[in-house]
Order: sequence, then structure tokens, then C-alpha cells
Amino acid sequence: EPEVTQTPSHQVTQMGQEVILRCVPISNHLYFYWYRQILGQKVEFLVSFYNNEISEKSEIFDDQFSVERPDGSNFTLKIRSTKLEDSAMYFCASSEARGRFGTEAFFGQGTRLTVV
Amino acid sequence: QKEVEQNSGPLSVPEGAIASLNCTYSDRVSQSFFWYRQYSGKSPELIMSIYSNGDKEDGRFTAQLNKASQYVSLLIRDSQPSDSATYLCAFRFNTGNQFYFGTGTSLTVIP
Repeated sequence: EPEVTQTPSHQVTQMGQEVILRCVPISNHLYFYWYRQILGQKVEFLVSFYNNEISEKSEIFDDQFSVERPDGSNFTLKIRSTKLEDSAMYFCASSEARGRFGTEAFFGQGTRLTVV
Repeated sequence: QKEVEQNSGPLSVPEGAIASLNCTYSDRVSQSFFWYRQYSGKSPELIMSIYSNGDKEDGRFTAQLNKASQYVSLLIRDSQPSDSATYLCAFRFNTGNQFYFGTGTSLTVIP
């Protein structure tokens, strides 16, 4: 069964440091997403990516965040200067299409980011 | 403002019973609706999607959508202890990419 894979599973970083979270979406999927979930809170949308560019982003996704698809398989989220409030579980997801059918998003297992 | 409202629970049902989870959404033009299950510390796992008014069944799960009432529900028949998790309702516009999630309902199935 195809799945979204994320690395690392847990990342601890010092405040102000840069982190890169990595994801390999399902191979035939065209839309890629990053979501985050602060402990005990709801899943929040950060950004979606299609055809090598950002297609939609939330207010959370400010200038300290960036996304990239450096090759044909990886999809990365970079946080330039981490803050304590960036501590959360970060989920990568992918979906096959945007239209009425095939819109289901499948999530990776997540990266738990802890900023100290 | 696009909102998804769920009763946070916790909801407790005995093993073998039907669990009923409800969700309302604020935007009338929402098109695609999803139920995800999330075990503690894990990622959301897709259970079902539903796009049209009415019922959609998949094994022990039935999703019900009523767009006029802006209401979507999930029924779990013959509940098992392994169904104990948080259930997330989400919707999406056909013209957009973002999934809007509710805060989830915590379900406990008591053996």
C-alpha cells in the first residue's frame, strides 16, 4: 500500500535554529500539503503545493516558512528561525487531484518538532 | 469564516454498540467531506469521504451528509475497543486545496 513517509520522526532544535522537515509523497499524487497540530489542538493547514509552486497558504505560513520540491520525490518544509511556539507535530499529506473525485488527502506519520 | 464544529466528547459506548459522531460546518458551498481517525500521537487516517447528500456505507462505517442542514455524521456499527480514538471531520472546496478540520470527537469503546 503506497504511503506518505516523513523524516525525521522527532526533531529537537534550539530556538533560532533552522530545521528542514522531509516528506516523500505518494508517487502518483500531484498535490502536496503541510499541516501542523499543536498538542491537544486541531490540525491546522499551513500550505499546499502543486506544479512546483505554492497554490494556497494560511496565515500561519509566514516568511519564516518555505517549501520546496528539490527533486522528483521529496517535498520539504523549512523553518528558518524556529520559535518555541513552532513546537508541534508536522504532517505532510498528498492527494491525487483537486477535483470532486480523488480529493482524499493521505497523511504521513508526522514529525514531532520540539523547540527548546 | 470557515468553521467545522464537533462535540469534543468524550463519547463512551459499550463494545458492540453503535457510535454516532456528528459534525456541522459553516459554509454552504463546501463540497467534499471527510472523516479521519486519529490515535493518540499518530497521524490522521482516512476513514471515508462523502460528496453527495445521503448515506455512504463502508464496512462498519456509514457516513451521512445533509448539505441543506450543513451536517455530516459518522456511524460506527458493532463498535470495537480498537475504534477508541479521536475522530476528525474535515471539508474541502472543490476549487481549493485546503482541508478544514474540526477539533475532533474522542471516542472510547468500553469492553
